[in-house]
Amino acid sequence: AQSVTQLDSQVPVFEEAPVELRCNYSSSVSVYLFWYVQYPNQGLQLLLKYLSGSTLVKGINGFEAEFNKSQTSFHLRKPSVHISDTAEYFCAVSVFPGGFKTIFGAGTRLFVKA
Amino acid sequence: GAGVSQTPSNKVTEKGKYVELRCDPISGHTALYWYRQSLGQGPEFLIYFQGTGAADDSGLPNDRFFAVRPEGSVSTLKIQRTERGDSAVYLCASSSAGTRSYNEQFFGPGTRLTVL
Repeated sequence: AQSVTQLDSQVPVFEEAPVELRCNYSSSVSVYLFWYVQYPNQGLQLLLKYLSGSTLVKGINGFEAEFNKSQTSFHLRKPSVHISDTAEYFCAVSVFPGGFKTIFGAGTRLFVKA
Repeated sequence: GAGVSQTPSNKVTEKGKYVELRCDPISGHTALYWYRQSLGQGPEFLIYFQGTGAADDSGLPNDRFFAVRPEGSVSTLKIQRTERGDSAVYLCASSSAGTRSYNEQFFGPGTRLTVL
């Protein structure tokens, strides 16, 4: 079975500072990896995904993530955050191929301070 | 175009009552998913439909939960004899067809269910 661990429940950071949100997963088979963002009172939005190929993937709003198979990690990074990045971020996995059941982590609350 | 819509946006009910939650997927999307998000947690998979049939219902917590998609479009999640522990945001997502490659899931805004 697959599982996802987000190592930080909350990450406070000052505006324009860099940030890293950590995610580790476990799976006995190949997986797709995702980061979703959930703004207050809004639905989940896909931030970026890793399906195959280059281990560094770029997403929307200046975010990027790196897939590290040996460490089973998929950490999310942004070099300079904005107040508007304040939101809940979820790491998720889905089994490859043909898998549609997506397993989510518990989430990391990113709070950007002025 | 229109995204995934869910109704109602909020539902308050009493313990023991029956509730129905509706999901309208993006037009043309044959795959539909239900998730449950409890307070402070990530979404938890409940059930996945491909067309009219439930391809994977392994996430349904017990037999009080049931979902249908009779015409392969709109889906209804039904909860019988609701319990306080059923209180959560119920999320619906849809994606285009395909079983061999990834298809992005688009999420609706959710229905917040409160069981008193």
